[in-house]
Amino acid sequence: DSGVTQTPKHLITATGQRVTLRCSPRSGDLSVYWYQQSLDQGLQFLIHYYNGEERAKGNILERFSAQQFPDLHSELNLSSLELGDSALYFCASRLIGSGGNEQFFGPGTRLTVL
Amino acid sequence: AQSVAQPEDQVNVAEGNPLTVKCTYSVSGNPYLFWYVQYPNRGLQFLLKYITGDNLVKGSYGFEAEFNKSQTSFHLKKPSALVSDSALYFCAVRADTGRRALTFGSGTRLQVQP
Repeated sequence: DSGVTQTPKHLITATGQRVTLRCSPRSGDLSVYWYQQSLDQGLQFLIHYYNGEERAKGNILERFSAQQFPDLHSELNLSSLELGDSALYFCASRLIGSGGNEQFFGPGTRLTVL
Repeated sequence: AQSVAQPEDQVNVAEGNPLTVKCTYSVSGNPYLFWYVQYPNRGLQFLLKYITGDNLVKGSYGFEAEFNKSQTSFHLKKPSALVSDSALYFCAVRADTGRRALTFGSGTRLQVQP
């Protein structure tokens, strides 16, 4: 158990809908990263938050957005969903300080868009 | 831009034999290198990392990896494979400066036969 929690575990929805994925980082970790894992794109970085502020964006679509709240949990919002958005979405947290500290991953949310 | 190549989609090895999972990388600046393992329906688990120092790093579950700067490689090794090592292995890189998010390889499925 990495200490990173994600809810829900599974999400099934229809095209055009909007969903929210939630992530709670490990206690004390200020950084949260979101990644998408799909069969055709592999593991891709989406967005990074540090202590409530957006720090970096990766291959995140404009239909997707994220936030990190004062209690440090983060939410990833996916809207106008398409079939191709079906994937595993992971969040990871990292201890600040040394840039070499590893990221710890949550169990993921499996999103299925029908 | 940074990138990771894992040239083998799958590696098959007999239990008790040594295993190697290959990884090469490209990054501007000094690399921070990581190996993660993913079991079915689970998140990524951290195995080991190279930040600086000794080129041979030891990690969890008897795994080790050798950093080779001239060949830009970071191959994962284990002297004696176990059936329980069968999983999906990801190599990841980031530079020592700039964006903290990881760039992952496409993954290598390790199959250990009894």
